[in-house]
Amino acid sequence: AAGVIQSPRHLIKEKRETATLKCYPIPRHDTVYWYQQGPGQDPQFLISFYEKMQSDKGSIPDRFSAQQFSDYHSELNMSSLELGDSALYFCASSPIGQPSYEQYFGPGTRLTVT
Amino acid sequence: AQKVTQAQTEISVVEKEDVTLDCVYETRDTTYYLFWYKQPPSGELVFLIRRNSFDEQNEISGRYSWNFQKSTSSFNFTITASQVVDSAVYFCALSPDLQGGSEKLVFGKGTKLTVNP
Repeated sequence: AAGVIQSPRHLIKEKRETATLKCYPIPRHDTVYWYQQGPGQDPQFLISFYEKMQSDKGSIPDRFSAQQFSDYHSELNMSSLELGDSALYFCASSPIGQPSYEQYFGPGTRLTVT
Repeated sequence: AQKVTQAQTEISVVEKEDVTLDCVYETRDTTYYLFWYKQPPSGELVFLIRRNSFDEQNEISGRYSWNFQKSTSSFNFTITASQVVDSAVYFCALSPDLQGGSEKLVFGKGTKLTVNP
């Protein structure tokens, strides 16, 4: 079965650089969630999109922005990177309108800021 | 506000022992979903179970079982006859039940389980 795809899987950036993380949801999933998991921490919700519109927002820094495109893939753009942005970034997708209420997680993108 | 508490930060057992991971949650929602995820050292989040707030039946899946008690706001997870491959961080999570869709997950801090041979 198709799963959530995230790219790149690993990314190394320097402070003050920008990064773009991509997420391709499972086909026919129209909701995407982004989570950030710092070292030894639990995943923290950043932002979500439903049908290309932002549906919820969590503790996402102003330096970050995200969008969902017409093909439902999503991108998380991160600017002025800081050392504290080093984390595992998960994307999850879910199918709206189906009684599953389950978020399917991608493998994550490990971002290292040096 | 929603909150999930996993009081056990780390647990270490010897293979074949049974182990229970505790999860206590807080929510003002009348309907909600509870989840358990496993995160092995490789880092991915593996879905284990989802339970809605109206279904208090315990569930068993192989060596895994879950005990949901609404009266105590707990959703505990037991691994029977643990194996080395069960070593991972286990997260309990909570989500409100929005009609027609899911919502963000609120995770507990996780419990790191180490199963020694």
